[in-house]
Amino acid sequence: KQEVTQIPAALSVPEGENLVLNCSFTDSAIYNLQWFRQDPGKGLTSLLLIQSSQREQTSGRLNASLDKSSGRSTLYIAASQPGDSATYLCAVRSGTGGFKTIFGAGTRLFVKA
Amino acid sequence: GAVVSQHPSWVICKSGTSVKIECRSLDFQATTMFWYRQFPKQSLMLMATSNEGSKATYEQGVEKDKFLINHASLTLSTLTVTSAHPEDSSFYICSAREDDSYEQYFGPGTRLTVT
Repeated sequence: KQEVTQIPAALSVPEGENLVLNCSFTDSAIYNLQWFRQDPGKGLTSLLLIQSSQREQTSGRLNASLDKSSGRSTLYIAASQPGDSATYLCAVRSGTGGFKTIFGAGTRLFVKA
Repeated sequence: GAVVSQHPSWVICKSGTSVKIECRSLDFQATTMFWYRQFPKQSLMLMATSNEGSKATYEQGVEKDKFLINHASLTLSTLTVTSAHPEDSSFYICSAREDDSYEQYFGPGTRLTVT
C-alpha cells in the first residue's frame, strides 16, 4: 500500500531564501508524481508533474526532482517570496490493475517579508 | 486565466437523498475533468477522472454506483452522490484540464453536509 509523507509539516523562512520541500513514498513503482499548492480561500493550483521516466521538471523558480529508487521527490523554490506562502502538496499516482493517487498531508510554508 | 466554477458552493441534504454537483469550465474546453474529495483536516483524495463523452475512470476503492459522474460536454461535468449518508459529508473539488498537459484548473469546491 502506497504511503506518501511530506516533511516538514510546516516551514517558516525569510524572504529571498532558497528552500526545499520533501515528499517521500513507500512504493517506487509509480506512474507519476505531481506537486500542487493550496491557498486558503483561493483553492488549488497544479505546479509540476513528473512522469515516472523523468528525473526533474522546472517551471520558473520551481524545480521538482524525482528519485524513484529512494522513494523521494523534492520541490526546490528559489528566491522565495511572500506570495509563495501556501500549503504544498505532493501526489503520487501508482497501482496495478487500477490506479490510485495518494496525496501527502502537505507542507505549510510561510515566507516572511 | 482559465476559470472553473462549481455549483452549488455548499449544500445540506437529508440522509437517503441524492445530490448533484456541477463543474464548469468557463473559458476553455475541458477534455478531462477530475473529481476530488477532502475530509476536514485531511489531505485530498482523487475520486475519478472523466473524459468528455466517455465513462469516468474511478480510482481504486471509490464506489462508482455511489458517485455517478457524467461528462456530457467539453464544459460541464457533474458528480451525483446517490443515497447520501452522513459519512459522505465532505468538501468536493473538481478540476479541469484543457489538453494533455499536466496543468489542472481547480474549482472552488462544494461543501456537502448530509444530516
